[in-house]
Formats: sequence, C-alpha cells, structure tokens
Amino acid sequence: AQKVTQAQTEISVVEKEDVTLDCVYETRDTTYYLFWYKQPPSGELVFLIRRNSFDEQNEISGRYSWNFQKSTSSFNFTITASQVVDSAVYFCAHYGGATNKLIFGTGTLLAVQP
Amino acid sequence: DTEVTQTPKHLVMGMTNKKSLKCEQHMGHRAMYWYKQKAKKPPELMFVYSYEKLSINESVPSRFSPECPNSSLLNLHLHALQPEDSALYLCASSQARLGIYNEQFFGPGTRLTVL
Repeated sequence: AQKVTQAQTEISVVEKEDVTLDCVYETRDTTYYLFWYKQPPSGELVFLIRRNSFDEQNEISGRYSWNFQKSTSSFNFTITASQVVDSAVYFCAHYGGATNKLIFGTGTLLAVQP
Repeated sequence: DTEVTQTPKHLVMGMTNKKSLKCEQHMGHRAMYWYKQKAKKPPELMFVYSYEKLSINESVPSRFSPECPNSSLLNLHLHALQPEDSALYLCASSQARLGIYNEQFFGPGTRLTVL
C-alpha cells in the first residue's frame, strides 16, 4: 500500500536553528514522485519541491535542502537558519500510478520562535 | 497569472441550505481537483476533472456535486450537508500530460462551517 509517514507531529525551534523534517514512504510503484508542501496558517498549500524516483540527487534551494534516499525510503527536508516566517505545517506527499492520486503524510507543525 | 482563486473565503450554512464553492485558474491547466481538509489532518482527495470530464470520484456522498463548466472553472455544489462536513475545501490545478505527473497548485481554500 502507498503510505507516507511523518513521525514528527510538532517541532519547536528558536530562530536561526537548523531543523530537519522527516518523511518516510511506502510504495509498490517502481516510478513515483515525492513532494513537499508548506501550509501556513492562511491555509493555502504552497508547492516546494517535486522529486521523481529516478533522481536521487539532493537538492538545495536557498535555505532549503532535501535528502532523498531510496535505500531507506526517506525524503527528508532541512531548513537552515530557520526564520519565523517558516512557521507552518509541512506535508510530504507521494504520487504513483498504483493509486493515481497524491497521498499526503499527516504533516509536521513547525513553530519557529523569535 | 500563476494562482488559483477560490470564493468565498468563508461560508457558514445550515443543513437545509444549497450553496456553491467556486474555483478559477488561468494557467492553462486541464486538470482540476477538489480536496477536503479537516483540522489538523492532511488534505483528502474528493474529485478530479481532466479535460473538463470527471475522472476520479473518491466515493464522495452525493450531497457534494462537482461541476466543471469550462477549462478554467470548477464548482462544488453543496446541498443538505451535515455538521461533520465542516472543513477547509481546497481546489487545485495542474497540467494534464499523459504519463507524467505534474505538481498541483492549490488555492487558498474555503472554510466551510455547517450549523
């Protein structure tokens, strides 16, 4: 079955700390996509990154970086030098042909304190 | 224009009311989606339209009725809802290219309260 697990329900850090959000997935698809979305209190889901299953290269975008490891079925997200504006719920998600829909993890609430 | 808009932002309705949620995008996307998100939960897919045709219905009760009048618009008609239907309703759109999955762009949602 397709499943996305975000074991960290809530994380609280102080501004400028680095923080890593964990994501572990289960899939029976050989080709699939992984995503991270940010949901601030306003409610809109903001797309952050898409990774396909053939591309294990890590990616960095400014203060954000992603570590995709197929061997451990993990797709972790690190925010370097966190800021108050990073406070939000972050969802990891999986898409594959077996379900043909985006499967979200339960989300991690990140609170960055000033 | 790279946004998905939704109206209204907030909606309060009684169980006997009929109301509609609207979603619009002008990115040329041909796939549009409705999700329901309860508090502190992830979004759950309700419906998918591809090229203006309903392609996925996740066994949603008939009191929710989707409509896609054209490639830019998506409606969700509501009738005889229950208090447990109170949630954030999110619309999304994406390109629809066969064999490739494209990221979905989400609107800000409509917060629905059913009394």
